[in-house]
Amino acid sequence: DQQVKQNSPSLSVQEGRISILNCDYTNSMFDYFLWYKKYPAEGPTFLISISSIKDKNEDGRFTVFLNKSAKHLSLHIVPSQPGDSAVYFCAAKAGANSKLTFGKGITLSVRP
Amino acid sequence: AAGVIQSPRHLIKEKRETATLKCYPIPRHDTVYWYQQGPGQDPQFLISFYEKMQSDKGSIPDRFSAQQFSDYHSELNMSSLELGDSALYFCASRRWGSYNEQFFGPGTRLTVL
Repeated sequence: DQQVKQNSPSLSVQEGRISILNCDYTNSMFDYFLWYKKYPAEGPTFLISISSIKDKNEDGRFTVFLNKSAKHLSLHIVPSQPGDSAVYFCAAKAGANSKLTFGKGITLSVRP
Repeated sequence: AAGVIQSPRHLIKEKRETATLKCYPIPRHDTVYWYQQGPGQDPQFLISFYEKMQSDKGSIPDRFSAQQFSDYHSELNMSSLELGDSALYFCASRRWGSYNEQFFGPGTRLTVL
């Protein structure tokens, strides 16, 4: 039972354009959502997060939007850069100290 | 800034052998989480510790055990290794009680032949 779903396995965008990575969840107990970026042979690196009491969080080129009623969140990267090419994992947790539940990840390729 | 340290980075074992993976959290982080990522899969939670006590348990096989020591480092012990245990094993750390993100180590790649 995949509680965090990233339905698109890959995304390719042109440098300078917007990248939109989507994530859906099914567990209503999730109250904190995170995006991690992962390069091959490295551990996941934290990118940005959002609490369930907010609907938007912005950090530089990265913005995460949360739609609680739809149980959907998205990560926007503007403008996209070739160095953004990596696997992006959506993760969620229920409670401050709880484990992370990950989606299957999406491979983003940014074309120069 | 100091990061999470995992050792070894790569490990090759034969079936039915044992393996021990080590994790050294970021200084002042008291909580450690272990995750397993199979080929093409998402990281799956195995087990977590806070102040040397198990705080949560996920899909960890009975052949595996783990503990956290007084210096907060943690070890994952794996016995009777099977081919299906081949995976990346990540350790993450954070401070208990905050909403801070979990900081991940570089992982240990275990290959069982």
